[in-house]
Amino acid sequence: QQKVQQSPESLTVSEGAMASLNCTFSDGTSNNFRWYRQHSAKGLEVLVSIFSDGEKEEGRFTAHLNRANLHVSLHIREPQPSDSAVYLCAVSIATNAYKVIFGKGTHLHVLP
Amino acid sequence: DMKVTQMPRYLIKRMGENVLLECGQDMSHETMYWYRQDPGLGLQLIYISYDVDSNSEGDIPKGYRVSRKKREHFSLILDSAKTNQTSVYFCASTAGTGYAEQFFGPGTRLTVL
Repeated sequence: QQKVQQSPESLTVSEGAMASLNCTFSDGTSNNFRWYRQHSAKGLEVLVSIFSDGEKEEGRFTAHLNRANLHVSLHIREPQPSDSAVYLCAVSIATNAYKVIFGKGTHLHVLP
Repeated sequence: DMKVTQMPRYLIKRMGENVLLECGQDMSHETMYWYRQDPGLGLQLIYISYDVDSNSEGDIPKGYRVSRKKREHFSLILDSAKTNQTSVYFCASTAGTGYAEQFFGPGTRLTVL
């Protein structure tokens, strides 16, 4: 079964400094990865989806995928206090097209 | 406007009472999900619905059942609620398989006393 781990658990950055979040997974045959953001126990919103090795940019959010290293990261350029939230990594399961596994999340705090 | 709604948003019940959580979506998505989210455990999958009357257990189905009689509506039922079912419950929908983006509702915070 796919296992997804996120690091760090908590991250504090100053407004304008780059924020980098990490996600490792156990099954390199997955080909569907997403980063979601969750503000204070509200619903999740998708930030960026990536399906092949390399980089995918959506506005200030950039995902990097390296399946050989079982690693996907999220970089937030010029973070703002409104970006303070929990960021969740979601990885598909190669053997079940309907299921994704979520990491436990990284709490990001952006200081003004 | 693509939207997933959940009702109620907050609910307090006593142990042993029945609970009905409701979810609706306006995107005609075939697939819908129920998750629960607990501190330190992340999102855990309770049930998947592939379409009307086509449901499958997720990773933690014990103590829950679901109903989907219309494509746009998916219900989660707790028969005789237990205190360890206190949690935040999220509904999600997606077009087709889990490879597509999941759209999430705002969540229902359930407290079982």
